[in-house]
Amino acid sequence: AQKVTQAQTEISVVEKEDVTLDCVYETRDTTYYLFWYKQPPSGELVFLIRRNSFDEQNEISGRYSWNFQKSTSSFNFTITASQVVDSAVYFCALSEENLPINNDMRFGAGTRLTVKP
Amino acid sequence: NAGVTQTPKFQVLKTGQSMTLQCAQDMNHEYMSWYRQDPGMGLRLIHYSVGAGITDQGEVPNGYNVSRSTTEDFPLRLLSAAPSQTSVYFCATKKYRDKLYEQYFGPGTRLTVT
Repeated sequence: AQKVTQAQTEISVVEKEDVTLDCVYETRDTTYYLFWYKQPPSGELVFLIRRNSFDEQNEISGRYSWNFQKSTSSFNFTITASQVVDSAVYFCALSEENLPINNDMRFGAGTRLTVKP
Repeated sequence: NAGVTQTPKFQVLKTGQSMTLQCAQDMNHEYMSWYRQDPGMGLRLIHYSVGAGITDQGEVPNGYNVSRSTTEDFPLRLLSAAPSQTSVYFCATKKYRDKLYEQYFGPGTRLTVT
């Protein structure tokens, strides 16, 4: 069975600090997908990134970067020079399928990030 | 494209009342699903559909019904609301493209059952 663990329930940082959100997953499949979503106070889910299990290249998008390590089953998310607008709940998610036959997208419990001015 | 729309945005029900949460999409995606979000538990799958006329249960289906008569619509019915169904409900669609799939979420419906 697949499982996603976000051990950090809440993180509080001061603006301009770097912060890393941890995500550890469990899966028996060799082909799977990992996701990060942001949920700001307004409540909608904002897609941030999708990573395939066969592509371990790390990715950087502006102040955001993701470190995918299959050896440790982790997909961590780092925000550099955090800003108040980064305050949100961040979800890591895992899906084993590559065909929409059934749905097994599993979410972590989320990490609430608070960035103080 | 409007993407995935959900109505209503907010709803308060009394225990025992029934209601339908609406979800519609204009992207012609075959796959649609409903999740509920509760504090500290992430999102959990309620029901899903792989196409018109086909539905199946997810992780937490009890107390909910769904139907899929068209590709566009996937309503979620609460037959007899209970306080345990107080939650935020998200509808999602999925598209398979170039060996990858993309998932899109609606804006959510916040439901309170008193």
